[in-house]
Amino acid sequence: AAGVIQSPRHLIKEKRETATLKCYPIPRHDTVYWYQQGPGQDPQFLISFYEKMQSDKGSIPDRFSAQQFSDYHSELNMSSLELGDSALYFCASSLRFGTYGYTFGSGTRLTVV
Amino acid sequence: SQQGEEDPQALSIQEGENATMNCSYKTSINNLQWYRQNSGRGLVHLILIRSNEREKHSGRLRVTLDTSKKSSSLLITASRAADTASYFCAPTQGGSEKLVFGKGMKLTVNP
Repeated sequence: AAGVIQSPRHLIKEKRETATLKCYPIPRHDTVYWYQQGPGQDPQFLISFYEKMQSDKGSIPDRFSAQQFSDYHSELNMSSLELGDSALYFCASSLRFGTYGYTFGSGTRLTVV
Repeated sequence: SQQGEEDPQALSIQEGENATMNCSYKTSINNLQWYRQNSGRGLVHLILIRSNEREKHSGRLRVTLDTSKKSSSLLITASRAADTASYFCAPTQGGSEKLVFGKGMKLTVNP
């Protein structure tokens, strides 16, 4: 079965650079969520989209932005990267009125040097 | 959204033993979900139990829900070394509500 696809799997950037993370949800899933998990930390919610509109916002820095496109894939854009942005970034998708839980991707490991 | 609180925060058992972890939450829910995360990997959905259900099984997993006590438990029977992971509960109202994760419970199954 198709899963949530995230790319790239690993990314190394220098401070002050920009990074773009991509997420391809499960087909027909209408909601996408982004999470950040620092080393030894719990996953922290960043932002979500339902039917291409932002549906909720968490502790996402102003330097970050995200959007969901017409094909439902989503991109997380991160600018002016800081060392503290080094983390695992997960994307999850779900069906708004589904009852099968949320499916997470394998994550993108971002390292800022 | 609300966060579930897992208890205990860590558990170490021998292979073949059963592992039980508990989750408490504060306000009424539509469903409660359990997830597993292996170190450095993505979260894997294990099971979802609706508020009108009291017990649910999936393979070696058994989940109970007591809405009067606002608590849930996850039982893993005949544990294996591969069950070593962090386990998170996520109570939700349903819809497109975001999941809020607590510290999770770190399970270690020793071979």
